Amino acid sequence: DAGITQSPRHKVTETGTPVTLRCHQTENHRYMYWYRQDPGHGLRLIHYSYGVKDTDKGEVSDGYSVSRSKTEDFLLTLESATSSQTSVYFCAISDSRGENEQFFGPGTRLTVL
Amino acid sequence: GQSLEQPSEVTAVEGAIVQINCTYQTSGFYGLSWYQQHDGGAPTFLSYNALDGLEETGRFSSFLSRSDSYGYLLLQELQMKDSASYFCAVRAYGGATNKLIFGTGTLLAVQP
Repeated sequence: DAGITQSPRHKVTETGTPVTLRCHQTENHRYMYWYRQDPGHGLRLIHYSYGVKDTDKGEVSDGYSVSRSKTEDFLLTLESATSSQTSVYFCAISDSRGENEQFFGPGTRLTVL
Repeated sequence: GQSLEQPSEVTAVEGAIVQINCTYQTSGFYGLSWYQQHDGGAPTFLSYNALDGLEETGRFSSFLSRSDSYGYLLLQELQMKDSASYFCAVRAYGGATNKLIFGTGTLLAVQP
């Protein structure tokens, strides 16, 4: 299995507080992605990175920011959490242009009260 | 825009064969992937089709028809452990990387 970890695995927070989720990989893969998964919506791309300090928006990027200061870490920040951001967040990595396979982390379950 | 459609639920019995269909509308299509996700777990890659035709990997096969914007995942000799959600995903051109757009998933229930 690809070496991907996410932290924290579970978090409960209150509306309006900042939250940062971390994705860490040991595979030295170039591409990293953040998805959210909600019932009835499948997996939706929030942001992705194609290299250190190179990031771009996905389909549901409003309210989220990301940073990638080194190859192994990709951070997702909710500047001011809202209840609509309650979700399961998955990080994924790939070693090409996402051609064949993305490897997913274990997920972070975030609840915003 | 881009969209994928797949059935929300499928039920089959152990030992049977089941087909999960996926139709898509997208621009800059490069290929169709399939992922499996067990309840509470991470999605895992099953297969990828870039060209028309059938790709076989053990009990699982995946088919693509680019002219019909259609694909399917075929699971043979169903086992209880195959009970999971299955997602099709389109690899579509997007900026500096080829992004995956996922369908909403098909929940497969395998019954004894």
